[in-house]
Amino acid sequence: QKEVEQDPGPLSVPEGAIVSLNCTYSNSAFQYFMWYRQYSRKGPELLMYTYSSGNKEDGRFTAQVDKSSKYISLFIRDSQPSDSATYLCAMSDRGTYKYIFGTGTRLKVLA
Amino acid sequence: GAGVSQSPRYKVAKRGQDVALRCDPISGHVSLFWYQQALGQGPEFLTYFQNEAQLDKSGLPSDRFFAERPEGSVSTLKIQRTQQEDSAVYLCASSLMEVANTGELFFGEGSRLTVL
Repeated sequence: QKEVEQDPGPLSVPEGAIVSLNCTYSNSAFQYFMWYRQYSRKGPELLMYTYSSGNKEDGRFTAQVDKSSKYISLFIRDSQPSDSATYLCAMSDRGTYKYIFGTGTRLKVLA
Repeated sequence: GAGVSQSPRYKVAKRGQDVALRCDPISGHVSLFWYQQALGQGPEFLTYFQNEAQLDKSGLPSDRFFAERPEGSVSTLKIQRTQQEDSAVYLCASSLMEVANTGELFFGEGSRLTVL
């Protein structure tokens, strides 16, 4: 079993839909969580960075961390075709610099 | 430049050739990372530098892989005697903080290596 699990998709939604992307993890020591967006043949672009539990909102994006369930989510409101990309979650525990990445979820937003 | 810069963007090598991949991090960033991303997978950690010191190279797949950052800025990842299984995108990331997990990682566009 991988430390970080992420459904690879693809996930197809109509334009304007609310998208929910998720990762589960097994290491209860993880405290730092990031979401990246990666367009085809591009490097990952940081979307959200959160520490410990709770919610964080930035524009159309909301990141949630539920440490009791070892589950993190990224919500995208009013999704746009330009949101079509692969979304990667990444996480690490305190005192280490090694971020563990999920495999990524491919999202397609249909116009 | 404002972001992490990597070169070459694309490299095709014959099996057995040596390759060198360059990373120019964001100015002033202390931490530098190399990751390997296979097709359809997430990035996998290769090695970590804090300034010029290579603090962790545990993710390097074999002794054919070597990384350096001699002046604490530009870094080079060298792969000797390339094999087909080395084909992947090699991503460089930098972070402002000395302990990277107190700050965000910023990635370059990657160097896509194809070994024939």
